[in-house]
Amino acid sequence: ETGVTQSPTHLIKTRGQQVTLRCSSQSGHNTVSWYQQALGQGPQFIFQYYREEENGRGNFPPRFSGLQFPNYSSELNVNALELDDSALYLCASSSPGQGRTDTQYFGPGTRLTVL
Amino acid sequence: SQQGEEDPQALSIQEGENATMNCSYKTSINNLQWYRQNSGRGLVHLILIRSNEREKHSGRLRVTLDTSKKSSSLLITASRAADTASYFCAPYYGNNRLAFGKGNQVVVIP
Repeated sequence: ETGVTQSPTHLIKTRGQQVTLRCSSQSGHNTVSWYQQALGQGPQFIFQYYREEENGRGNFPPRFSGLQFPNYSSELNVNALELDDSALYLCASSSPGQGRTDTQYFGPGTRLTVL
Repeated sequence: SQQGEEDPQALSIQEGENATMNCSYKTSINNLQWYRQNSGRGLVHLILIRSNEREKHSGRLRVTLDTSKKSSSLLITASRAADTASYFCAPYYGNNRLAFGKGNQVVVIP
C-alpha cells in the first residue's frame, strides 16, 4: 500500500457530462500528478500540481482541469465527457525530499466509463 | 515521442525461470523507473536508476542502464506466479512527468 487513495473506484457517465475524481496524497508529499491510462496502453501524463499550483501539463485539452488543496489532496475535473475519455485515471504523489518527480507513488485508480 | 518503448511486449515463462525485459528511449534522461501493474490497477514502483548509474539491484530484480544506447533492461530472477503483471519503464527527462511506454505483459506459468 502506498498510502495514496482515490475515489470513487468506478464511475459511469454519459457523453457531455462532467466528472470530478479525487486523490489523497501520501502523508508528507506536496506534489500530485494525474495520468490517464486507456485500455492496453501505458499511463499518459495529464498534469502535475505542486504546492497548489499547476506545475506541468501534458497534451490534454482545457476541459481537463485540476485543483490541489492546502492539505495537498487533489481533484481532476473533466468537462464535456467524450467516449474516448473512458480510461483508468491514476494519481501519484511524490516526496519533496526526493525531488518533485523522482519516485511517484500511485493510488489504485478510478475506472471511468463514458457511455 | 519521449515515451519509453518496452520489448518484448508480451512474455510467457515457466515459474523459476528468469524474465528479461528491455526498454529504449529517445533523449537524455535524469533517471529511468520501472513499475509493475497488476490487473489494470495502481502502479507499484519497483526501482529507479539514475543516469550516472549502470546497474541496480532490489531483491530478485536487476536493472541495467546503458545511456550510450539509450536503453535499460529489467531482469526478474527465479520468477513466481505472483510476478504475473504488466511491467512499465518510465524515463524521466526532468520535465515533471514520467513518460511511460505501453508496457510488457509477463505471464508466469506455475
